[in-house]
Amino acid sequence: AQSVTQLGSHVSVSEGALVLLRCNYSSSVPPYLFWYVQYPNQGLQLLLKYTSAATLVKGINGFEAEFKKSETSFHLTKPSAHMSDAAEYFCAVRDPFGNEKLTFGTGTRLTIIP
Amino acid sequence: GAGVSQSPRYKVAKRGQDVALRCDPISGHVSLFWYQQALGQGPEFLTYFQNEAQLDKSGLPSDRFFAERPEGSVSTLKIQRTQQEDSAVYLCASSIPRDRVLATNEKLFFGSGTQLSVL
Repeated sequence: AQSVTQLGSHVSVSEGALVLLRCNYSSSVPPYLFWYVQYPNQGLQLLLKYTSAATLVKGINGFEAEFKKSETSFHLTKPSAHMSDAAEYFCAVRDPFGNEKLTFGTGTRLTIIP
Repeated sequence: GAGVSQSPRYKVAKRGQDVALRCDPISGHVSLFWYQQALGQGPEFLTYFQNEAQLDKSGLPSDRFFAERPEGSVSTLKIQRTQQEDSAVYLCASSIPRDRVLATNEKLFFGSGTQLSVL
């Protein structure tokens, strides 16, 4: 079985500050890991994914995440927060040998302080 | 269409009513997923189709939930005798299945969801 844990259901950062959203995974096999963003009244949108290639993954809107096997982590970062980054962020995991079924974390709501 | 379309956008049902939620996936997408997202939670897997075949329904919470995709495109999620705990956003997602040889496409495309409120 696979799962992800997102630490912090709410995170607030000032505009221009570093964004750090935490995700730890549990998996019996090397996992594929994803970060999705959900804006109000919109569908989930893929930010970035790790599929066993480079451990540092760059995504859209300036976000990146680093896969650290020793820490079982896949934290999402952005050097400088923008007001438009305010949204709900979900970490997800899937079995690389199965279908595209994702197991999501409970989400982190990011608020940007002007 | 350009993306995954779900209808209705909002549905209010009285407890005990049956509801049907529709998903139009992206044309040509073989894989289709249904997820349930309760307020303040992450999406939880309900069921998975490859074409018209329902290959995984392990996430359906009870036998009141039923999904179909008879022609391998549009899918319908039906909930019978709705209960208050069924209130949630129901998300549909589609993709082209991963080709293990070519290692292509790991991306799921999500619709905006149907928000179901059971009173």
